[in-house]
Amino acid sequence: AQSVTQLDSQVPVFEEAPVELRCNYSSSVSVYLFWYVQYPNQGLQLLLKYLSGSTLVKSINGFEAEFNKSQTSFHLRKPSVHISDTAEYFCAVSGAGAGSYQLTFGKGTKLSVIP
Amino acid sequence: GAVVSQHPSRVICKSGTSVKIECRSLDFQATTMFWYRQFPKQSLMLMATSNEGSKATYEQGVEKDKFLINHASLTLSTLTVTSAHPEDSSFYICSAREGAAGTEAFFGQGTRLTVV
Repeated sequence: AQSVTQLDSQVPVFEEAPVELRCNYSSSVSVYLFWYVQYPNQGLQLLLKYLSGSTLVKSINGFEAEFNKSQTSFHLRKPSVHISDTAEYFCAVSGAGAGSYQLTFGKGTKLSVIP
Repeated sequence: GAVVSQHPSRVICKSGTSVKIECRSLDFQATTMFWYRQFPKQSLMLMATSNEGSKATYEQGVEKDKFLINHASLTLSTLTVTSAHPEDSSFYICSAREGAAGTEAFFGQGTRLTVV
């Protein structure tokens, strides 16, 4: 079984400032890691994922996350946020391997970008 | 990316009635579909996992007779909330995966159910 902890429920940040949304996980097996973004009254959209290979993964809109196995973390960062980044962000984990279909989500972090 | 269409996006029903929510994968075959429930300001809680042609696997604490899930084809899964009560009011989200673990899970846009 896996679990995900997102330490910050809300993160306010000024426009064009950097941001880091923290995510830690626990698992007894190897994992795949994901960040999803949710806009109000909408489903989730995949932002980025780590499956294997390079521990630094990037999205097309400037976000990046680094898988740190020793610290069991997958923090999400962006060097300069925009108003449009205001949303809820969920970190998720699944077991790596055949049959490991289920995603376990953290409680989410609401990012509010202040003009 | 692949598209998962969930319908309706909003529904209001009277207490005691049943409501059906549809989840369709539009451009891929979803061997596995998941149904989640999201309470205000909280994370997604997995309700059940369904594989095409077989019975759904429900998470602990989820009433099978209340939340009926049917995955009759590789592109359609339905969730029926039977005899709905106000406490069933929530945001329900489906997701679908095409194949093996690690491939992206695509999410529907969610259904806001309000039981009055």
